[in-house]
Amino acid sequence: DVVVTQSPLSLSVTLGQPASISCRSSQSLVHSDGNTYLNWFQQRPGQSPRRLFYQVSNRDSGVPDRFSGSGSGADFTLKISRVESEDVGVYYCMQGSYWPPAFGQGTKVEIK
Amino acid sequence: EVQLVQSGAEVKKPGTTVKISCTVFGYTFTDSDMYWVQQAPGKGLEWMGLVDPEDGETIYAEKFQGRVTITADTSTDTAYMELSSLRADDTAVYYCATFGFDYWGQGTLVTVSS
Repeated sequence: DVVVTQSPLSLSVTLGQPASISCRSSQSLVHSDGNTYLNWFQQRPGQSPRRLFYQVSNRDSGVPDRFSGSGSGADFTLKISRVESEDVGVYYCMQGSYWPPAFGQGTKVEIK
Repeated sequence: EVQLVQSGAEVKKPGTTVKISCTVFGYTFTDSDMYWVQQAPGKGLEWMGLVDPEDGETIYAEKFQGRVTITADTSTDTAYMELSSLRADDTAVYYCATFGFDYWGQGTLVTVSS
């Protein structure tokens, strides 16, 4: 099975400062159809997960543009350009290129 | 508006079975696979399996194979996840999700305790 590893597992950020989360997979996530099925999710405390990006960098509706997704192959990054208080929560990447789908361990973002 | 509405919290004894429902609104039920995800307290997300409501075909994660049954009832636009032989470490919130995990239910807490 493909293993997805996030780092760091915890991030303490000053309001208005940037944040970056890495997601690495045990093999390239380029599917045979040419697409890369790597999603990013945000889970605020007490809420269901919310998808932020699909296929690496396609932003879902309503996601602020201070969030960006990038990467290729087996190495991906979620960036928040200026962290706001509403960004507190746990962020997960998830690969969907191979069965079974696999989530990263999650990265907890808090305000310093 | 797409909505996934899950059944309420459950408390179960070890060794018993729980069945959770997920009723969809705002789209054609057979248009998208329905996924189920487990989240133990304070832990991450784990994919359990999926059902294609159009033909009932299922795929299960190896960890839950043999204990989980996922079904879809097109007459009520409802998906079900049944987990048997419950044990304490099945205590978790269970989510349904669809359209490539774009839409999620509100989650159902299952507590397994003697």
